[in-house]
Amino acid sequence: EVQLVESGGGLVKPGGSLRLSCAAPGFTFSAYNMNWVRQAPGRGLEWVSSVRSSSTHIFYADSVKGRFTISRDDAKQSLYLQMNSLRVEDTAVYYCARTNWGDWNFDLWGRGTLVTVSS
Amino acid sequence: QSALTQPASVSGSPGQSITISCTGTSSDVGGYNYVCWYQQHPGKAPKLMIYDVTNRPSGVSNRFSGSKSGNTASLTISGLQAEDEADYYCSSYTGRNVVFGGGTNLIVL
Repeated sequence: EVQLVESGGGLVKPGGSLRLSCAAPGFTFSAYNMNWVRQAPGRGLEWVSSVRSSSTHIFYADSVKGRFTISRDDAKQSLYLQMNSLRVEDTAVYYCARTNWGDWNFDLWGRGTLVTVSS
Repeated sequence: QSALTQPASVSGSPGQSITISCTGTSSDVGGYNYVCWYQQHPGKAPKLMIYDVTNRPSGVSNRFSGSKSGNTASLTISGLQAEDEADYYCSSYTGRNVVFGGGTNLIVL
């Protein structure tokens, strides 16, 4: 089945680190650009980061640049987000999303994993 | 960049048509034909409903349509159904990356 399954969320203290994973079975992962999008509780969607196929280009939102690192392992059909120096305002559900029909159309989403940054 | 501007809520009765607006600038909505619309039911992941302003992915009802005029994009839902009640988000390419709207809560009366 074509799907995206996120894992790795949890409770972390400000300044801490967390690594999110996204498993992507059911389709040729290497052919697609992949993304992380987050949603703070009760708030709207916010794009976080994108990685092109073959990791040729990587993009970050200004709010996470220098603290978060996106990566992919095509052999494992997986996407990752290493989050360092976490802040309270990083608290959100983090979604893994696939790009299709262009560079910024997110056609497949996971169910999300909750990251809570609190002391 | 700032989020795109959407009305906080829109309502309509079953069978009616409604339109949700998404206002940006000439640097995003007005500058590119790369506007998307997503539907999100409570506690669920977003679902792509419209891409590249007017295109519908396979499986999305033709009751959903998109358009754009200047710096404002619009999502129209015709023949409203109870299952359409959800939050709707627009997004646009900005020349560097993508920005989302603040979301619109659609209430089916």
